[in-house]
Amino acid sequence: AQTVTQSQPEMSVQEAETVTLSCTYDTSENNYYLFWYKQPPSRQMILVIRQEAYKQQNATENRFSVNFQKAAKSFSLKISDSQLGDTAMYFCASNFGNEKLTFGTGTRLTIIP
Amino acid sequence: DTAVSQTPKYLVTQMGNDKSIKCEQNLGHDTMYWYKQDSKKFLKIMFSYNNKELIINETVPNRFSPKSPDKAHLNLHINSLELGDSAVYFCASSQDSGRQETQYFGPGTRLLVL
Repeated sequence: AQTVTQSQPEMSVQEAETVTLSCTYDTSENNYYLFWYKQPPSRQMILVIRQEAYKQQNATENRFSVNFQKAAKSFSLKISDSQLGDTAMYFCASNFGNEKLTFGTGTRLTIIP
Repeated sequence: DTAVSQTPKYLVTQMGNDKSIKCEQNLGHDTMYWYKQDSKKFLKIMFSYNNKELIINETVPNRFSPKSPDKAHLNLHINSLELGDSAVYFCASSQDSGRQETQYFGPGTRLLVL
């Protein structure tokens, strides 16, 4: 079975600090994409960052970066200089080489002023 | 300009009723999706259409019927609503149905069945 696991249901961090959200997955596919989506209280699902499994270089988008370890099937998200607007649910997801996204159960991140 | 839009944003209805949720994307994408997010925030694919053709149908009760009049629209019709249908329904779209495609989501429709 292809699964995505987020083992941290909730996290909180002080504003301006760095926080890392964990994600592991299981698949026998070799070519797939991994994503982090953010869902703020407004409920909108917003793409944060994506990683192609065949690329060794970790993706970066401004304050957001990933640590992708393909052999370990790990895909963590690091948020640097956290801001109040980063408060949201964060979902790790993968398409596992097909058309649909499989999501983890989410991590609720709270940035404390 | 909204890329993926859904109407209505909120829907409150009685058990047994029939309701529809509409989705439109102005991104020129070929593929559209419906996802369901339950009360525990878990997101699961329901359907996917590529160029108006159904390509994914994930063990969803046949009370749920998607309809794609053109590739910019994917509507979700639900018959005989049940309490367990209460959830947030997200529409999404991607350029194509390939494995490299990023999906962009609409704002969600919160459905409450009383």
